[in-house]
Amino acid sequence: GQSLEQPSEVTAVEGAIVQINCTYQTSGFYGLSWYQQHDGGAPTFLSYNALDGLEETGRFSSFLSRSDSYGYLLLQELQMKDSASYFCAERDSNYQLIWGAGTKLIIKP
Amino acid sequence: ETGVTQTPRHLVMGMTNKKSLKCEQHLGHNAMYWYKQSAKKPLELMFVYSLEERVENNSVPSRFSPECPNSSHLFLHLHTLQPEDSALYLCASSRTKQGNEQFFGPGTRLTVL
Repeated sequence: GQSLEQPSEVTAVEGAIVQINCTYQTSGFYGLSWYQQHDGGAPTFLSYNALDGLEETGRFSSFLSRSDSYGYLLLQELQMKDSASYFCAERDSNYQLIWGAGTKLIIKP
Repeated sequence: ETGVTQTPRHLVMGMTNKKSLKCEQHLGHNAMYWYKQSAKKPLELMFVYSLEERVENNSVPSRFSPECPNSSHLFLHLHTLQPEDSALYLCASSRTKQGNEQFFGPGTRLTVL
């Protein structure tokens, strides 16, 4: 089967760093995407990793280890506006996205 | 503004009604998608269209019927739905079916009574 595991909820403090982990179990893996979704909003694309290593985009970074079937999203210098749900999604051999259930990030002042 | 619009934003319907959801993308993309999002569950891919041709139908009940008249428009026709079909229905597009980035519309919140 295909499934992605990520924590249901993570709490962090404004200005801190937080890491959201994602593990996947699938064959035909092509890459791992991350999306952000605010309450009542649409998912928006954050990053995509096809190769092992770290991809950095401003305060957000995403990491992939294909040998460990594992990736994470790293958010630095947290701001209150980063409070949202974060989804990892795997691209399979048909170029379709298989989604995790999402991690709700709660940021406290 | 994501370039993908959906109407209506909210819909309440009875189990015997027929309704349609509409999606329009203004991005010049060639692939469009319908997803179902239920609370605390992964997004479920329902249908994929590439160049107006349906390329995937992930075992979706026949009470959901998609239509893609051109590369900018996507419809989801609904009939004889069940209460468990209540969810947020999201439309998305990407430049091609192989594109890494999908752009989502705001969704239609559907409630089936």
